[in-house]
Amino acid sequence: EAQVTQNPRYLITVTGKKLTVTCSQNMNHEYMSWYRQDPGLGLRQIYYSMNVEVTDKGDVPEGYKVSRKEKRNFPLILESPSPNQTSLYFCASSFTRDGEQYFGPGTRLTVT
Amino acid sequence: QKEVEQNSGPLSVPEGAIASLNCTYSDRVSQSFFWYRQYSGKSPELIMSIYSNGDKEDGRFTAQLNKASQYVSLLIRDSQPSDSATYLCAVNLSWGKLQFGAGTQVVVTP
Repeated sequence: EAQVTQNPRYLITVTGKKLTVTCSQNMNHEYMSWYRQDPGLGLRQIYYSMNVEVTDKGDVPEGYKVSRKEKRNFPLILESPSPNQTSLYFCASSFTRDGEQYFGPGTRLTVT
Repeated sequence: QKEVEQNSGPLSVPEGAIASLNCTYSDRVSQSFFWYRQYSGKSPELIMSIYSNGDKEDGRFTAQLNKASQYVSLLIRDSQPSDSATYLCAVNLSWGKLQFGAGTQVVVTP
């Protein structure tokens, strides 16, 4: 089944404790992206990747890191999480940057 | 002016009626447009994509695009309670970014 997977689905952590949210797709998509969704603010792009080893900042990159060492994987790293990073996070992928994006199931992160 | 604008709703629609959702965008050169459905706490699900002026129909959904007016709409015919969700309009801006609107909440009432 063609899909985008994310892990973990739910995470509660404390301020400053490094964490990684994994994202993987099995559709051979070149483009991958991370979004966060907050009430009243909609979907905001954090980082995106056009291909392996090619990443760039989205609208709200502060406090996040990404890497793209393999085509299928695009992990999101929070080196020192803070409470304002409490949010619902989505990974998405598409064949091209302007193509249809398919979303993972989401990761609900709470930072206390 | 926001790049993609939608009425936030809620849009209340009787069961069996047509729901009409509107979206306007600011980038005249945008070429691809999408509608996503999102249930509360779930991920956005692609329901329609449209690339050229006119109508595109898929089951009970019809997307309409008017590039001259910078306007894209979604019609949901024979609305069902399961259509109650937030509908996100997404526009690929000319510099390659997919910009989402804030979404319109649709409530289908029995």
